Amino acid sequence: GENVEQHPSTLSVQEGDSAVIKCTYSDSASNYFPWYKQELGKRPQLIIDIRSNVGEKKDQRIAVTLNKTAKHFSLHITETQPEDSAVYFCAAINTGTASKLTFGTGTRLQVTL
Amino acid sequence: ETGVTQTPRHLVMGMTNKKSLKCEQHLGHNAMYWYKQSAKKPLELMFVYNFKEQTENNSVPSRFSPECPNSSHLFLHLHTLQPEDSALYLCASSLPGQGYGYTFGSGTRLTVV
Repeated sequence: GENVEQHPSTLSVQEGDSAVIKCTYSDSASNYFPWYKQELGKRPQLIIDIRSNVGEKKDQRIAVTLNKTAKHFSLHITETQPEDSAVYFCAAINTGTASKLTFGTGTRLQVTL
Repeated sequence: ETGVTQTPRHLVMGMTNKKSLKCEQHLGHNAMYWYKQSAKKPLELMFVYNFKEQTENNSVPSRFSPECPNSSHLFLHLHTLQPEDSALYLCASSLPGQGYGYTFGSGTRLTVV
């Protein structure tokens, strides 16, 4: 089955700086990679996703890149703000055969003033 | 609300009690999931249901008993739990085999005393 590793487990950045979270996956057939944000006491929410036919996707201050050859994908947050503080989860799935997303272990991002 | 509703939001139960968690979705999804979230394991998959049929049991102890009467409702029956079962229990739903539109409920915060 799929295995997703996520790094770092914790990340502290100053407001205005950029943050990068990296994930690697094991199943080369995986073709869909979403990212979820979970604020304290709340549910995980989808913030951005990318399909395997695309190398990069951007939505305002958030971007995701995918390297299929190396089997890794990354979340980039620019101009970080205090409200970006949360736990971020990456995930992967082969939509043709798998029945569920495989999640990474999460990254706790702290944006300090 | 996200379309996935979990009740109750908070639950305190003794080790000899029997209680049930409820999850309901009105998104037209046919796959539903139970996750356990604790400090040790951020998103631990427990059960997967596709079209009311259980397709995955991730070695969950029998004191947790899931029930899926239809594609819109999912229950988790609890009995003789242990203090280490205290955690946030998240329900999610999606289109089966897709991973797209994977939507979480707000969770039930369970405390076993």
